[in-house]
Amino acid sequence: QVQLQQWGAGLLKPSETLSLTCAVYGGSFSGHYWSWIRQSPGKGLEWIGEINHSGSTHNNPSLKSRVTISVGTTNNPFSLKLSSVTAADTAVYYCARGSLAAGGTGAFDIWGQGTVVTVSS
Amino acid sequence: EIVLRQSPATLSLSPGERATLSCGASQSVSSSYLAWYQQKPGLAPRLLVYDANIRATGIPDRFSGSGSGTDFTLTISRLEPEDFAVYYCQQYGGSPYTFGQGTKLEIK
Repeated sequence: QVQLQQWGAGLLKPSETLSLTCAVYGGSFSGHYWSWIRQSPGKGLEWIGEINHSGSTHNNPSLKSRVTISVGTTNNPFSLKLSSVTAADTAVYYCARGSLAAGGTGAFDIWGQGTVVTVSS
Repeated sequence: EIVLRQSPATLSLSPGERATLSCGASQSVSSSYLAWYQQKPGLAPRLLVYDANIRATGIPDRFSGSGSGTDFTLTISRLEPEDFAVYYCQQYGGSPYTFGQGTKLEIK
């Protein structure tokens, strides 16, 4: 059974860099796109970006150049960095797998447990 | 960016009843690349339907998706107590992928 385990700092100050990591257990890393998604009361669910095993990425333009998604040297885990955070970046952050049945991307069939990130001075 | 609007915001029904949830897109969703998710408090969303009408693995057949273009529907034929939750639609036909604001299905 495939599981995603994510971790990272939960409390940040404005202007710091958010850093989260997600590891894949029990399944193949290749063939899928791996996404970061966040959820806040104000903006609901927001897709941040995705990466595949070869490092090809697509990001949400709304976050402009603040987002970096990368994979480790062994393709697992994959990471999110979001620079210059503000209170508006306070949210629950999830990693998720693109469903192979839906082409490996887009429809998310496996999710991490979520990380609460709070940005406060 | 494709904006998804879900209606109603809240739906109050009783177990055993039929639920119909709607999702409207601001422009046509390419290839019907639309998914539905269920989310319960404190948990991550759970994929129910993808490609507008294909149930994900392990999803009961009381859940069905339909629609194309800009109008999509999730139907739950007979509500079970565990079905009361928040439901989201999401499109992946265009980048960025976007989600609707959700429909809360509550017990009447």
